[in-house]
Amino acid sequence: KAGVTQTPRYLIKTRGQQVTLSCSPISGHRSVSWYQQTPGQGLQFLFEYFSETQRNKGNFPGRFSGRQFSNSRSEMNVSTLELGDSALYLCASSLVGSLDYGYTFGSGTRLTVV
Amino acid sequence: QQPVQSPQAVILREGEDAVINCSSSKALYSVHWYRQKHGEAPVFLMILLKGGEQKGHEKISASFNEKKQQSSLYLTASQLSYSGTYFCGTEGSGAQKLVFGQGTRLTINP
Repeated sequence: KAGVTQTPRYLIKTRGQQVTLSCSPISGHRSVSWYQQTPGQGLQFLFEYFSETQRNKGNFPGRFSGRQFSNSRSEMNVSTLELGDSALYLCASSLVGSLDYGYTFGSGTRLTVV
Repeated sequence: QQPVQSPQAVILREGEDAVINCSSSKALYSVHWYRQKHGEAPVFLMILLKGGEQKGHEKISASFNEKKQQSSLYLTASQLSYSGTYFCGTEGSGAQKLVFGQGTRLTINP
């Protein structure tokens, strides 16, 4: 079966711009979580969606937002980009909103802000 | 709060054993272990649930001490393919999210 698909794989944006990242989970997975990965901070939780509802949110500013569609695909948006937003953004899907079988991660979107 | 992993880095020769530890200050429902190779996505290795149930799909073992909120990942007779960064992720009861440790970089040399 197809894995978790994230698009685009790479992005270069200018400070002040906004960006939208997309994630298609594994078929049948209804929960989608987003993480930011940087060398200094490691994997930081952004938010989690289940059945189009945000159930959890991490400690990120309001510039970071997301949503989930009825087909479980998810998008995250970052507005007014800052240099510090440069990171690998990982999407992870899981079965039925339970983590008992772990996450399946996508390959990520590498965002560079210049 | 972020769990603490130790050691931060390990260098082994092929065939040697390694233990990676993960410690949390919070009561945990589960501990997950993932491996990430350079330029790739993290891959799920194993989950340890409160109460002792363990789920995974690779030949790697782990333990979970609920009293101490600590988990250890055991890699025996390491292979070159075991190289990568290992992350533990912890889940509190009802949290539905993982908090990851800083990672342990494992290098296996021939």
